[in-house]
Amino acid sequence: AQSVAQPEDQVNVAEGNPLTVKCTYSVSGNPYLFWYVQYPNRGLQFLLKYITGDNLVKGSYGFEAEFNKSQTSFHLKKPSALVSDSALYFCAVRPHRGNTDKLIFGTGTRLQVFP
Amino acid sequence: EAGVAQSPRYKIIEKRQSVAFWCNPISGHATLYWYQQILGQGPKLLIQFQNNGVVDDSQLPKDRFSAERLKGVDSTLKIQPAKLEDSAVYLCASSPGQGVWESISGANVLTFGAGSRLTVL
Repeated sequence: AQSVAQPEDQVNVAEGNPLTVKCTYSVSGNPYLFWYVQYPNRGLQFLLKYITGDNLVKGSYGFEAEFNKSQTSFHLKKPSALVSDSALYFCAVRPHRGNTDKLIFGTGTRLQVFP
Repeated sequence: EAGVAQSPRYKIIEKRQSVAFWCNPISGHATLYWYQQILGQGPKLLIQFQNNGVVDDSQLPKDRFSAERLKGVDSTLKIQPAKLEDSAVYLCASSPGQGVWESISGANVLTFGAGSRLTVL
């Protein structure tokens, strides 16, 4: 079965410091991986995706993610955190079989950026 | 372009009552999804439509949940009768669908609505 794991329920970081939100995956074949962000009382917003090619993927709001096949990881990163980055972050994987582009989500990591 | 519209935003009902949620996807999007997000958990797929046909409803509790997309555009998700454990946010998402889009983009991006928060008392 294809799945993603987010080992941290919450990540705390000071504004201006770099941040990392961890994600590991379990898939058969080459993975399609995604990061979404959820602000309070709002739907999920797409940040970035990895399909193939360069292992470092750049996305919205200055976020980037690094695909590491040997470690089966897809960690989300940002060089300098902002208070406004505080939100719930979800990693997701897309299954390869069948006629579907549905996403399977992790449990989420709450990012808290302190001033 | 307009986003994915959902209504109502909030609903409070008592157990054993019924409730319905409505979703209007992005214009032209062939694929529509309903996800359930329980507090503290990631979204879980309930049902996926491709146009007006069901692609995947393997995790839909069919004894109480039903969904339709009769004309291949907007969709309704119904719960009858509701249970306490149905308290969640119900998210609707859409994507362009399979085919040409897939080969160009590499993988479709799902666009989500703001969600409908259900509280069952």
